[in-house]
Amino acid sequence: NAGVTQTPKFRILKIGQSMTLQCTQDMNHNYMYWYRQDPGMGLKLIYYSVGAGITDKGEVPNGYNVSRSTTEDFPLRLELAAPSQTSVYFCASTWGGRNEQFFGPGTRLTVL
Amino acid sequence: GENVEQHPSTLSVQEGDSAVIKCTYSDSASNYFPWYKQELGKRPQLIIDIRSNVGEKKDQRIAVTLNKTAKHFSLHITETQPEDSAVYFCAGPYYGGSQGNLIFGKGTKLSVKP
Repeated sequence: NAGVTQTPKFRILKIGQSMTLQCTQDMNHNYMYWYRQDPGMGLKLIYYSVGAGITDKGEVPNGYNVSRSTTEDFPLRLELAAPSQTSVYFCASTWGGRNEQFFGPGTRLTVL
Repeated sequence: GENVEQHPSTLSVQEGDSAVIKCTYSDSASNYFPWYKQELGKRPQLIIDIRSNVGEKKDQRIAVTLNKTAKHFSLHITETQPEDSAVYFCAGPYYGGSQGNLIFGKGTKLSVKP
């Protein structure tokens, strides 16, 4: 099992550009999450999904969008990138309810 | 709303000493409390968790205690080793939607000096 994988590992964007962060898991987990981690801070939930076709907002959803067309994939879309979106983005998955979340390796995004 | 406060933000101990990190939560209905370890440049990984039907859980040198009356839970690491150096995050349930959501503390940077 590869677990949770994310691409790209690093990306530099210019203000106003758009991009999609990819996340894939091969553990057949139904719950998937996107977090952002700013320097010296904890993890903030951006969006989550409890199954294919179902997504919902977390604590900090503004400026992002998600989709969940399959169990395995949960891409995060940034539209009109802003410097405030400079962060490390982690995708995570779990099999449901209050259980261990498995994290991907992260994507380090810089918006200049 | 839901909130998880974590203290201290940094902790430095000598190898072999014990380390204790404490978190407080606001929602009395919370019933699941995990602890994650994040090494520098790596992803967070679960090291231990506790549910509200028990007051303490141990796994080798790591233990977590829960005080539901006072609404706090603590991570205890005994006989610390240099490889314990990392950032530790507590978390509690976040009820803004799915029951699987978590709200994380801001983290404690633990440094173990050899």
